[in-house]
Amino acid sequence: AQSVTQLDSQVPVFEEAPVELRCNYSSSVSVYLFWYVQYPNQGLQLLLKYLSGSTLVKGINGFEAEFNKSQTSFHLRKPSVHISDTAEYFCAVSGGGTSGSRLTFGEGTQLTVNP
Amino acid sequence: NAGVMQNPRHLVRRRGQEARLRCSPMKGHSHVYWYRQLPEEGLKFMVYLQKENIIDESGMPKERFSAEFPKEGPSILRIQQVVRGDSAAYFCASSPQRTDNSPLHFGNGTRLTVT
Repeated sequence: AQSVTQLDSQVPVFEEAPVELRCNYSSSVSVYLFWYVQYPNQGLQLLLKYLSGSTLVKGINGFEAEFNKSQTSFHLRKPSVHISDTAEYFCAVSGGGTSGSRLTFGEGTQLTVNP
Repeated sequence: NAGVMQNPRHLVRRRGQEARLRCSPMKGHSHVYWYRQLPEEGLKFMVYLQKENIIDESGMPKERFSAEFPKEGPSILRIQQVVRGDSAAYFCASSPQRTDNSPLHFGNGTRLTVT
């Protein structure tokens, strides 16, 4: 079975500061990793994904994430955040024998960017 | 280029009534997933369907919940005899193929309130 742990439920930061949202996963087989963002009263939008190859993945809106197999982590980073980045962020995993593109999500991290 | 369309956006039902949630996948997508998001929680997988077939319903409650994806028309998630605990946001996602590295595209959800 797969599981995803997002280590921080809430992360408050000031505008233009760097941010890291932490994600650890558990799986006995190779997996694919995703970060999604959810703005209030909206669905989820894909930020970035790791399928294979380079462990540093760049996504939309200036976000990037690094896959670390030995630490089973996939932390999301942005060097300078904006007010508009305020949202809920979800780490997710698929693969390893689960059906199709079925995703297992973490509990989410609420990022709040303050002026 | 319409995305995943869900309707209604908001649905209010009294205890004991039936709720029907509709999802039209992106054009060209034949795989549909339903997720439920309870307040202050992440998304939990419910069911995975392909046209006219239920592929994985391991996340569906055993009673009162059913899903279908007919040859023509949208996918339907049906909840019979709703209870207050069914109040949640229900999200539909679609993908073009059955591979575990294909990102899911999400709709904006249906927010069900049971009074």
